Amino acid sequence: DQQVKQNSPSLSVQEGRISILNCDYTNSMFDYFLWYKKYPAEGPTFLISISSIKDKNEDGRFTVFLNKSAKHLSLHIVPSQPGDSAVYFCAASASNPTSGGYQKVTFGTGTKLQVIP
Amino acid sequence: NAGVTQTPKFRVLKTGQSMTLLCAQDMNHEYMYWYRQDPGMGLRLIHYSVGEGTTAKGEVPDGYNVSRLKKQNFLLGLESAAPSQTSVYFCASSSLQGAYPSSTDTQYFGPGTRLTVL
Repeated sequence: DQQVKQNSPSLSVQEGRISILNCDYTNSMFDYFLWYKKYPAEGPTFLISISSIKDKNEDGRFTVFLNKSAKHLSLHIVPSQPGDSAVYFCAASASNPTSGGYQKVTFGTGTKLQVIP
Repeated sequence: NAGVTQTPKFRVLKTGQSMTLLCAQDMNHEYMYWYRQDPGMGLRLIHYSVGEGTTAKGEVPDGYNVSRLKKQNFLLGLESAAPSQTSVYFCASSSLQGAYPSSTDTQYFGPGTRLTVL
């Protein structure tokens, strides 16, 4: 059962336009959401996150929106640049005070973004 | 500061062979993780550790063993490799600081090990 879903395996966008990557989740216990970016032959790197107490978090060209009622989050990249071409993973976790501080992170399957110059 | 390093970067095994993947981090992180990435499956957690001397099972632990004898190292072992274990393996580490949730909970990943089992 895939609790974090990224239904678009790939996305192509023209340079300078907006890229919108979507993510849906099914577990209502998730209260922290992250986006990771992965280049070929490298490990994922953290991009941006959002807590469930917020509905928007912005960091430069990157903004994450959270719609808790729809169990949906999205990553907006404006303006898109060729260097943004990568695979983007959505991830989610739920606080668990009995786990000794560890919160399991569930990753989506990733969306490959191609920004065309 | 090298971050998270993984050894080796590539490996080809025959079915039934064994091997150990080494992960090292120099950020003094308490938590360490092993994931595998397969096409269309995202990143799946194999095992994790919340501190030196501790290990726990993740989503897909069968066929793997781990050890965390030192805080900075996390070893992933395959005792008898199978073709189904062909994958890219990522190690990650994180440090829980302050109250959850926090941006410091984010995981830092190594570059990956591409393993092929014939």
